[in-house]
Amino acid sequence: GAVVSQHPSWVICKSGTSVKIECRSLDFQATTMFWYRQFPKQSLMLMATSNEGSKATYEQGVEKDKFLINHASLTLSTLTVTSAHPEDSSFYICSAYPGQGDRRGGYTFGSGTRLTVV
Amino acid sequence: QKEVEQNSGPLSVPEGAIASLNCTYSDRGSQSFFWYRQYSGKSPELIMFIYSNGDKEDGRFTAQLNKASQYVSLLIRDSQPSDSATYLCAVIGTGRRALTFGSGTRLQVQP
Repeated sequence: GAVVSQHPSWVICKSGTSVKIECRSLDFQATTMFWYRQFPKQSLMLMATSNEGSKATYEQGVEKDKFLINHASLTLSTLTVTSAHPEDSSFYICSAYPGQGDRRGGYTFGSGTRLTVV
Repeated sequence: QKEVEQNSGPLSVPEGAIASLNCTYSDRGSQSFFWYRQYSGKSPELIMFIYSNGDKEDGRFTAQLNKASQYVSLLIRDSQPSDSATYLCAVIGTGRRALTFGSGTRLQVQP
């Protein structure tokens, strides 16, 4: 149980284009999902908290107009990187909390999306 | 001061030895503590979580929490080459819902 599916696993796009990343909770409902970014040899940095049915909460320094988050249902959150540039190249990972009933007690992560902007 | 601090390593231990990974955190009100393992190019996978002071054991892994010292550690007994990875300490701080991660400690288990 507590599986989070993230797609695509990797994507290469041209500078100036937009890329959408999907994150789905497969066997539980997630009212809240989290989006992280990880640059090479660095740790995961929280970008935003995605709330079902309401606006996302962005961390300081993250451009909300560039990283559009939509959490339209209890099982799906999407992150769209708009007008991507090479400096946006990174590993993007979503995470969700299955709830107190999950025996593992921890947050579940998607498999991540490697974005390369050329 | 970083919210969650870890020694970046690499920590090198021989196969079969005990690996000891340490983490300190700055928010004294933090209540939940997690250890994740991350292989290169992959997303983190949960090893253990701990909420109360003391030790918590799960197989070869033992998490230790000392809230007074704001310190959490992970012991890996009988280390195997497959344990070679980066170990991330994560904390849920006061009033927060998301995990705050340390920079990770790279562990190398030598055959």
